[in-house]
Amino acid sequence: NAGVTQTPKFRVLKTGQSMTLLCAQDMNHEYMYWYRQDPGMGLRLIHYSVGEGTTAKGEVPDGYNVSRLKKQNFLLGLESAAPSQTSVYFCASSSRPPTDTQYFGPGTRLTVL
Amino acid sequence: GENVEQHPSTLSVQEGDSAVIKCTYSDSASNYFPWYKQELGKRPQLIIDIRSNVGEKKDQRIAVTLNKTAKHFSLHITETQPEDSAVYFCAARSSNTGKLIFGQGTTLQVKP
Repeated sequence: NAGVTQTPKFRVLKTGQSMTLLCAQDMNHEYMYWYRQDPGMGLRLIHYSVGEGTTAKGEVPDGYNVSRLKKQNFLLGLESAAPSQTSVYFCASSSRPPTDTQYFGPGTRLTVL
Repeated sequence: GENVEQHPSTLSVQEGDSAVIKCTYSDSASNYFPWYKQELGKRPQLIIDIRSNVGEKKDQRIAVTLNKTAKHFSLHITETQPEDSAVYFCAARSSNTGKLIFGQGTTLQVKP
């Protein structure tokens, strides 16, 4: 039981390049989330999904897209990376409320030059 | 909009002392309040949570209190140890939106 995993762990991009971050969970959770973490700003929700085939915007969705084609996977895409997207990205998953503890992946450190 | 304010941003205590971190939230529909601990370079991990129908919850050396009227909640760590050193985040979840809103984090340093 690996919990929540993220691929890749590190990535360096040039401005304008695109990439996809993959999140996978093996806990059969309905809900999945993507956050970004910047110094002094806590964790901010980018997008989330309440089930396979669904996605919704969080606090800071601009510049990102997501897809949830399979229940266990949640993909975060950057179509045209910008230096402002340099951050640590965390994926999380949870069951439906009220049993809704969010379990986090190990994070992806992304640098955009 | 929804907002969670967390104080202090940094906290330094001597080993064995108590530490208190406070959070206030703006959305009166919030009903779930977790606390996460994040060690350097690691993922956030849940250490304790409380729901809106409970005023206090304790788990060994950590406790959380909730005042719904004042819209604030606090984390209390007693008999602090060096391994308690980490960044602590509070969060509040709105029953309307279901989203977790995190505070800005508190860096706790426990000096041996």
